[in-house]
Amino acid sequence: DIQMTQSPSSLSASVGDRVTITCQASQDISNYLNWYQQKPGKAPKVLIYDASKLETGVPSRFSGSGFGTDFTFTISSLQPEDIATYYCQQYENLPRSFGQGTKLEIK
Amino acid sequence: QLQLQASGSGLVKTSQTLSLTCAVSGGSISSNYYFWSWIRQPPGKGLEWIGYIYHSGSTYYNPSLKSRITISADRSKNQFSLKLTSVTAADTAVYYCARELTGTPSYVDVWGKGTTVTVSS
Repeated sequence: DIQMTQSPSSLSASVGDRVTITCQASQDISNYLNWYQQKPGKAPKVLIYDASKLETGVPSRFSGSGFGTDFTFTISSLQPEDIATYYCQQYENLPRSFGQGTKLEIK
Repeated sequence: QLQLQASGSGLVKTSQTLSLTCAVSGGSISSNYYFWSWIRQPPGKGLEWIGYIYHSGSTYYNPSLKSRITISADRSKNQFSLKLTSVTAADTAVYYCARELTGTPSYVDVWGKGTTVTVSS
């Protein structure tokens, strides 16, 4: 199974800050990497697929990059509505696997 | 627009079988563009992918749960189901049914709201 390691596990930032989350795969997954946002009490929602492609309707302040084993998720200017937990997920192989999540809070 | 609604036993006794059904509306589970998946989330923890069923009836299960899982589909009712046997407290979670794109890219584009299952003696 492919292990996905996210960091940090939690993050506190101010509105307007640039926020970066990293995700490392235990083996090469090419660009087969998705990022999901989960708000409290809600189902997750995909923001980024194929490591860097923005899902339709997702604000452009969200972006992703990376290839192989190392990936980055960025919010260019944090907004209050971005408070959520973010998960990376690989789909290079079965079973699908998620990172442990990064809980984002506002300072 | 596609909607998924999970239902089933919210409280299951230890060692018994958890049974959930996901009713699909606004689309067909017979489409070959999607997998029909189950994902769970224990309280306060992260997401765990359980498995999926394809329109052909083929399934893939997470090896960590494989011996206990069955995912099946009823095309006449446009729904798919999850059975998990010999449950323990560790199976307490919110269970999501979901639609996952096949091929590349592959991601969950539609989620059900989630249903809470508690395992207790």
